[in-house]
Amino acid sequence: AQSVTQLDSQVPVFEEAPVELRCNYSSSVSVYLFWYVQYPNQGLQLLLKYLSGSTLVKGINGFEAEFNKSQTSFHLRKPSVHISDTAEYFCAVSSFSGYALNFGKGTSLLVTP
Amino acid sequence: DSGVTQTPKHLITATGQRVTLRCSPRSGDLSVYWYQQSLDQGLQFLIQYYNGEERAKGNILERFSAQQFPDLHSELNLSSLELGDSALYFCASSARTSRETQYFGPGTRLLVL
Repeated sequence: AQSVTQLDSQVPVFEEAPVELRCNYSSSVSVYLFWYVQYPNQGLQLLLKYLSGSTLVKGINGFEAEFNKSQTSFHLRKPSVHISDTAEYFCAVSSFSGYALNFGKGTSLLVTP
Repeated sequence: DSGVTQTPKHLITATGQRVTLRCSPRSGDLSVYWYQQSLDQGLQFLIQYYNGEERAKGNILERFSAQQFPDLHSELNLSSLELGDSALYFCASSARTSRETQYFGPGTRLLVL
């Protein structure tokens, strides 16, 4: 089985500052990794995914993430955040043999002027 | 808009009752997943169907059941409802050619009083 730990439950940041949301996973098998965003009262939107290949993946809205197999991490970054990035961010993992997602508990990103 | 639709958006019911949540996957997607999001448990995988057949089970209670119909829509049935079943229920779907990537619907918010 796989599990995900999101190390920060809340991350406050000022507008136009850089941000990193941390995610570590645990698995005995190879995995797929995902970041989803949930805006208030909405569903989950796929930000980006790592399936294989280049360890740096780019997603929507200027976000990117880097897969680090030795550190079992998949941290999400954005060089300059906007007020509209305020949302809950979820890291998720699935295995090659089964596609059900295991989610972390989420990180609440709060961007203030 | 992910293309996944869920009805109803909101549902208020009483303990002991039974409800049915409905999900229509994206056009052409064969896989449907159900997830529960609650404050204490976070996002949890419940069950997966692929082309009408159950493929995987997660933390789904015996009081809950699901099915996927020939037109590929899915229903999640929740019976003998308890206060603790109050949660947001999400449906997700994935394509036959990229089954690892799931797209989520807007969710059904269930309140059990």
